[in-house]
Amino acid sequence: DVKVTQSSRYLVKRTGEKVFLECVQDMDHENMFWYRQDPGLGLRLIYFSYDVKMKEKGDIPEGYSVSREKKERFSLILESASTNQTSMYLCASSFGDRNNQPQHFGDGTRLSIL
Amino acid sequence: AQSVTQPDIHITVSEGASLELRCNYSYGATPYLFWYVQSPGQGLQLLLKYFSGDTLVQGIKGFEAEFKRSQSSFNLRKPSVHWSDAAEYFCAVATGGSYIPTFGRGTSLIVHP
Repeated sequence: DVKVTQSSRYLVKRTGEKVFLECVQDMDHENMFWYRQDPGLGLRLIYFSYDVKMKEKGDIPEGYSVSREKKERFSLILESASTNQTSMYLCASSFGDRNNQPQHFGDGTRLSIL
Repeated sequence: AQSVTQPDIHITVSEGASLELRCNYSYGATPYLFWYVQSPGQGLQLLLKYFSGDTLVQGIKGFEAEFKRSQSSFNLRKPSVHWSDAAEYFCAVATGGSYIPTFGRGTSLIVHP
């Protein structure tokens, strides 16, 4: 079974802090994704990566950056956290060499910015 | 660009009743379609997917979905709902050559005993 592991289930940070959310997958997937989920808005794509050191902006990249130094790990960085970044963050991964393979999701990190 | 609409924000059913969750998509060619379920406090889990072939697809947990090209729909069904099915359900669509699906906003299923 594919395992996507997010480092924290709950996280509380203060405004202005630099925040790191970590995600690791164990199935050698090429593609990795970061979403945020807010009530009534569904899932919104922040960034994705299709290879090591490669990244692409999603629909809402402002205020975020990402890092992918190793194939299995994809980090989301909030450069200077703000209260409007309080949300549920979901990491996902999928195969890149086969079109339209389903994504596998982690359990999410519920982030609160005070 | 593709889009997905889940018209129902909330659905309430009694345990043992049948269920149908609606999903409509907008895309010119045959899309790749998925249904995911999210239990409270969890990530999304794939229920089923449609790529081609038989338009009625079976998934896990007793769910099925039917692709209807003429209606641009991919509705999820279950003949008898269990209390443990209470969750958020997401429909997603991807197009040929893209590995980035577009998600609907979700339908929250409430199950009454």
